Amino acid sequence: GENVEQHPSTLSVQEGDSAVIKCTYSDSASNYFPWYKQELGKGPQLIIDIRSNVGEKKDQRIAVTLNKTAKHFSLHITETQPEDSAVYFCAASSGSARQLTFGSGTQLTVLP
Amino acid sequence: SAVISQKPSRDICQRGTSLTIQCQVDSQVTMMFWYRQQPGQSLTLIATANQGSEATYESGFVIDKFPISRPNLTFSTLTVSNMSPEDSSIYLCSVQPQGSREQFFGPGTRLTVL
Repeated sequence: GENVEQHPSTLSVQEGDSAVIKCTYSDSASNYFPWYKQELGKGPQLIIDIRSNVGEKKDQRIAVTLNKTAKHFSLHITETQPEDSAVYFCAASSGSARQLTFGSGTQLTVLP
Repeated sequence: SAVISQKPSRDICQRGTSLTIQCQVDSQVTMMFWYRQQPGQSLTLIATANQGSEATYESGFVIDKFPISRPNLTFSTLTVSNMSPEDSSIYLCSVQPQGSREQFFGPGTRLTVL
């Protein structure tokens, strides 16, 4: 089955700086890669996703890049703000299995 | 997206008892899933709730412990049976609208077993 590894487990940045979270996956059949933000006491919120036919996708301050050859994808947050502080999860799924396999999560802290 | 509600939002239960968690979505969806998130951990899929048929369970999860119902395309329940303190977790339902790869999560049910 699919295995998703996520790094780092914790990340602290100064407000205004950029943050990068990286994930690798094992199943070459995986073709959908969402990112979720989970604030304390809440369910995960989908913030951006990318499909395997695209190398990069951007939405305002958030961008995701995908390298299919190396089987890794990354989340980039620019101009970080204190409200970006949360746990971020990457995930992967293949076309044949709609289930998501999640990474272990990254606790992002944006210091004012 | 879809608006998803879960009941209860939290509960404290005694070991040996059972708790049924409800998940309601505001529109008909093809796929509904149940996940478990142990304290400080990632999300683990328990099962896929199939409308009109038995749920599909992931390795390590069995129907006797986590019976699931899905009577229609907007509602599902997960029961945590014969609970032990190890069952203390957040239980999350998620939905995947028809024709979409996106999956949306409910707010979760925070369960503490004493």
